[in-house]
Amino acid sequence: GAGVSQSPRYKVAKRGQDVALRCDPISGHVSLFWYQQALGQGPEFLTYFQNEAQLDKSGLPSDRFFAERPEGSVSTLKIQRTQQEDSAVYLCASSLATLNTEAFFGQGTRLTVV
Amino acid sequence: TQLLEQSPQFLSIQEGENLTVYCNSSSVFSSLQWYRQEPGEGPVLLVTVVTGGEVKKLKRLTFQFGDARKDSSLHITAAQPGDTGLYLCAGEADSGYALNFGKGTSLLVTP
Repeated sequence: GAGVSQSPRYKVAKRGQDVALRCDPISGHVSLFWYQQALGQGPEFLTYFQNEAQLDKSGLPSDRFFAERPEGSVSTLKIQRTQQEDSAVYLCASSLATLNTEAFFGQGTRLTVV
Repeated sequence: TQLLEQSPQFLSIQEGENLTVYCNSSSVFSSLQWYRQEPGEGPVLLVTVVTGGEVKKLKRLTFQFGDARKDSSLHITAAQPGDTGLYLCAGEADSGYALNFGKGTSLLVTP
């Protein structure tokens, strides 16, 4: 596709349920980022991949959060045993190279934990 | 952590008015970026400023990077309803990989 695609757009999960959020970056983009955006806030960095290598996961809030990009393209963010404070929009972004090139964001997945 | 503070947090103005939003930090950044985010969408890059004192114009939007590269401003002339959105500034994180975002300025322009 022409842009970064995320699915699902909306996800409602019961507390304690596991969820998986998918990101299809722009073809050929080396860098992939995941961000979490709470209501009324700016995005907060979660993790970064360069191709299939996860170079930075310092922003993942707990060990319930796990991300992978096994073939250097599609990425999945998994949240285990979801809690209400996990409710947020999860944004994926990709860029052609490293930080100093423009990052393109997907529309995000809005996760609501009830 | 390099924090970016944006002000004001909310701004509601009428069409045709001018406005300025600010992005401030105690840290020096090699560059700052400005994004606009509309409801239900991801942020879209407006501009990147790199040089201290730099001024960039994008139609009715003027971006300035402070001389010390710690702050930036966005000025909109003759605002239009289509300018409504969340304006975010972002700077390079310590890791060098990701961006640190401010909390944003939510702008509403009414006809």
